[in-house]
Amino acid sequence: DVKVTQSSRYLVKRTGEKVFLECVQDMDHENMFWYRQDPGLGLRLIYFSYDVKMKEKGDIPEGYSVSREKKERFSLILESASTNQTSMYLCASSGPGGENTEAFFGQGTRLTVV
Amino acid sequence: AQKVTQAQTEISVVEKEDVTLDCVYETRDTTYYLFWYKQPPSGELVFLIRRNSFDEQNEISGRYSWNFQKSTSSFNFTITASQVVDSAVYFCALSEDNTNAGKSTFGDGTTLTVKP
Repeated sequence: DVKVTQSSRYLVKRTGEKVFLECVQDMDHENMFWYRQDPGLGLRLIYFSYDVKMKEKGDIPEGYSVSREKKERFSLILESASTNQTSMYLCASSGPGGENTEAFFGQGTRLTVV
Repeated sequence: AQKVTQAQTEISVVEKEDVTLDCVYETRDTTYYLFWYKQPPSGELVFLIRRNSFDEQNEISGRYSWNFQKSTSSFNFTITASQVVDSAVYFCALSEDNTNAGKSTFGDGTTLTVKP
C-alpha cells in the first residue's frame, strides 16, 4: 500500500518558534508538494519539489521554506511561526506523469500557533 | 491563470438519494487534467478519478459517475444511492502539467453530509 506519511497529526507551537513539518513517501516519486488547507479557501500550494535539492515556489510561499535532501523526504519550515499560519498542512507526492498523474496525500498536520 | 469553482459549499442529503457535485474550471491550455478527490474526516485526500482534456467519455465506477463536458468547462460528479460513508469533503482539481500533476489548482471543496 503506497504511503505518504506526515510526522505529526497535531502540533501546537508558539509565535516566533521555528517549526518543521516532515513528510516521507515510499513510492519513489520525483515530485513532492506542500499544500495548506483553510476553510473556504480549498488547498493552496506553498512549495513543490521535482527533484532532490530542487524547489519551486507555489502560490503562497511567503513565510515558508522547504528542504529536500533525500528523494523520499520533503520538509516544510516555518522560520518564525505566526498565528496566521494556523492551518491544516497537507503533503503530497506524484509520479512522473502519463498514467501516473494523480497525487497521493498524507493525513495532514493540523498546526496551531498560539 | 487556471481556476476551479465548486459553487456548492455544503450539501445535505438523506441516504439513498442521488447527489451531484458541480465543478466548473477555467484554463487557457488545450491539454489539461481534471481530478476528483475525497477527503473523509480522517483528513487524507483520496484520489477518485482523473480525466485528460482529450477524453470526454463519461465514466461510471460503481455508484460514482462523472460527466465531463468541455463545451461548458464542467466536470460534475454524481453519487447514486448515497450512503453515510460518502460523507466527506470532495475536491475538484485541475492540472496543466502532465509531468507534475500534484501541482494542481483545487476548488474550495464541497462538504457532503449523508444522513441515515
